Amino acid sequence: KNEVEQSPQNLTAQEGEFITINCSYSVGISALHWLQQHPGGGIVSLFMLSSGKKKHGRLIATINIQEKHSSLHITASHPRDSAVYICAGPNTGNQFYFGTGTSLTVIP
Amino acid sequence: DSGVTQTPKHLITATGQRVTLRCSPRSGDLSVYWYQQSLDQGLQFLIQYYNGEERAKGNILERFSAQQFPDLHSELNLSSLELGDSALYFCASSVGSTVYNEQFFGPGTRLTVL
Repeated sequence: KNEVEQSPQNLTAQEGEFITINCSYSVGISALHWLQQHPGGGIVSLFMLSSGKKKHGRLIATINIQEKHSSLHITASHPRDSAVYICAGPNTGNQFYFGTGTSLTVIP
Repeated sequence: DSGVTQTPKHLITATGQRVTLRCSPRSGDLSVYWYQQSLDQGLQFLIQYYNGEERAKGNILERFSAQQFPDLHSELNLSSLELGDSALYFCASSVGSTVYNEQFFGPGTRLTVL
């Protein structure tokens, strides 16, 4: 059983579309990190959430503690948003569990 | 540029060999994390050090070991290498020791075991 489940696995969107990526996690996960991995392999941390909602530019991340669910939204998507998005949940022992990633392609 | 450096960028070696991967955290960061990313397993957490002490341990094999030195750089040692150890190895650093700290990732070391 995976502690962190992510969907969808692949996503293709037209430029300008609103995009949602979902992440569900198990009991014991105390915070949720969203990461972006570029085609070249580099990883960038986008958000860390333990409650509520955070916004950075066109990216919005939300978390529902009761439902153990987090979403990453991209508004007005752009081809440069094409990347793999990964959610990661650490348990109380600081051990991180990763989703399998969502490969996003935004077509001009 | 995250400020985290990793060397070498690429490493090609043979089965049974031993290699050392090096990571220098961002200035001021006390935590270093090591991760393995393979095609079939995705990203996996290996180990975390905070200010020289082991803080958390994940799916790190007994053939692998790590340490963090007084200058806060860290090394990941992989021994008795197998084909399945071929992967991208990332380190990340953060200011604090808790899971609530943002992590900054290095560019990774690509290990190929032939």
